[in-house]
This record gives sequence, structure tokens and C-alpha cells, in this order.
Amino acid sequence: SAVISQKPSRDICQRGTSLTIQCQVDSQVTMMFWYRQQPGQSLTLIATANQGSEATYESGFVIDKFPISRPNLTFSTLTVSNMSPEDSSIYLCSVVRQNMNTEAFFGQGTRLTVV
Amino acid sequence: DAKTTQPTSMDCAEGRAANLPCNHSTISGNEYVYWYRQIHSQGPQYIIHGLKNNETNEMASLIITEDRKSSTLILPHATLRDTAVYYCIVRGHSGNTPLVFGKGTRLSVIA
Repeated sequence: SAVISQKPSRDICQRGTSLTIQCQVDSQVTMMFWYRQQPGQSLTLIATANQGSEATYESGFVIDKFPISRPNLTFSTLTVSNMSPEDSSIYLCSVVRQNMNTEAFFGQGTRLTVV
Repeated sequence: DAKTTQPTSMDCAEGRAANLPCNHSTISGNEYVYWYRQIHSQGPQYIIHGLKNNETNEMASLIITEDRKSSTLILPHATLRDTAVYYCIVRGHSGNTPLVFGKGTRLSVIA
């Protein structure tokens, strides 16, 4: 199984500020995925981060609001910019191992509260 | 958009089999059926996947209909720790393909 270290695990932030979430994987992976889970909702894919190129964003998510870095094959960051209370969610990173199962592994998530 | 339809919630008595249905009538020939679950406040966890044959592992069994338009996840002896949201996901068998989550089924195992 893949070990994914995600931090911070939780934070309370003032509106208008930005928070950067880090995701570290214990082995090299091609793609890393970022999700948002709003309270009581399912997971929504924000973007796909491929090392060496710009992230690909899903409909409804833009780079100015959620800039992503992918400096190497084991690390990625997601920044939530100019936060508002509507950004209060759990943010999760995920990787897929190219093995027999191609199962996805998830970090434990970052619980963000914007006040 | 998610390609699957699942009941919103289900209850199951502890020790009994939990049968979670999933409809995926638009599945294409090269897509697999994956099941994940999310226990409260944790990241989703892989359970099982299959293409067209029934599959079994230490956690569960997956029964896929012959036309592949629906499937059932079976937890043979549900315990309280199986209380979670269960997601049925259809996707290609590639490491570059993300999971697209639907609303899932909230399974409550009752003592």
C-alpha cells in the first residue's frame, strides 16, 4: 500500500487568507489528484497534477483559486487562495498505484474551517 | 458526472450479510467496477474491483451481472466497523485515471 502524508490535518483560517496543503507520497507516482469534500457531501475532483506540467482542473475549479505545484514525483501542494467560509471542506490528495489493482490511495485529509 | 446509481442509505444487522447494489447501465467494455468505502473522517479505502467475473477477497465479494449493467457488493458478515459510506465507481484500468465519486450508499450496521 502507498503511504501518503498530508498536512496540516486541520486548520482554522481567517477569510481572505490562503492555506497551502502538502501531500508527500512514499514512492514515485505519475499522477496525483486533489479532491474536495464539502460537509455531508461526496468527494469532488479538483484537479490532476502531473509532474513537469501544469495541473488539469475540473469544471468549476480554476488555477487562480486553487494553484497546485508538483515539483517532483513524490510531492504536491494545493493552495486554497483568498478563502471564504464556502471553502470550508476536507481536502484530500490521492494517488493511483499502477499495479494489478490500480487501486487509489488517499491521504487522511485536511479539514479546513474558514471563519 | 458519476456513471453509477446507488441507494442513498441501507441498514444491516450485525453478523448478517450486507448486500449493496449499484447500477452502471452505461458502462463501456473496457471499464471496471470499483468499490471504495469511507469511514467517518477518514480517506476512502479500496475494497474490491472487477471487470465481468465475480470477485472475492478478504473484505468482500463482488457480483457483476452478465450484461455488466449492475453489480452487488457483499459484506458476508457485517460488523459495526463496516458502518461507512460505500462508493461504486466505474473507471478505466489506468493509473492515470482519477476516481469520480457519486453520492454512495451510507451503510449503517446495527447491533
